[in-house]
Amino acid sequence: GAGVSQSPSNKVTEKGKDVELRCDPISGHTALYWYRQSLGQGLEFLIYFQGNSAPDKSGLPSDRFSAERTGGSVSTLTIQRTQQEDSAVYLCASTLLRDTQYFGPGTRLTVL
Amino acid sequence: AQKVTQAQTEISVVEKEDVTLDCVYETRDTTYYLFWYKQPPSGELVFLIRRNSFDEQNEISGRYSWNFQKSTSSFNFTITASQVVDSAVYFCALSELRQLTFGSGTQLTVLP
Repeated sequence: GAGVSQSPSNKVTEKGKDVELRCDPISGHTALYWYRQSLGQGLEFLIYFQGNSAPDKSGLPSDRFSAERTGGSVSTLTIQRTQQEDSAVYLCASTLLRDTQYFGPGTRLTVL
Repeated sequence: AQKVTQAQTEISVVEKEDVTLDCVYETRDTTYYLFWYKQPPSGELVFLIRRNSFDEQNEISGRYSWNFQKSTSSFNFTITASQVVDSAVYFCALSELRQLTFGSGTQLTVLP
């Protein structure tokens, strides 16, 4: 389909391991966002990419979190040395400038 | 800083009842967008509506209607003749420059 896709849909990892989460935005969308949704909570902004501009990393909770966007399209969110409190659903969204954000199905991360 | 408040954590209604979900926002910007998203049990966030700050006309889409009042900084969402399939978490969100700030969500349960 033409929507935002994310992979994997589920990821179980052991504490201390690194994980990579992938987001494929809607073709042509210039902006890409990552959010985190902990159990029963609202959405927490993590990072924002807009075109070739420097990303807005103001929402990243620690230096264990990083993200990149290659070729203005696909993005990877990396969590190093995962902790149990990192367990959450990680959501990606894409948009044209300030238009409506369309969300992917999310990656459910479980850190044991 | 922008803030979105959804005071109703959980609402339970019987099918065919009308229900209104409240959303109050805070912003210092004069140009902003307001959104409602639905998150069914499957987890994917579904876009419902977007309003810009200059358009205070109420909107109706089928059983859904939205009431935007700048004077009270509110953007309430009403479902008429609710159905079991409306059961979900509903999020109100505010966008200024580029970030979406979400409320904490309202869990709506529609009982048969």
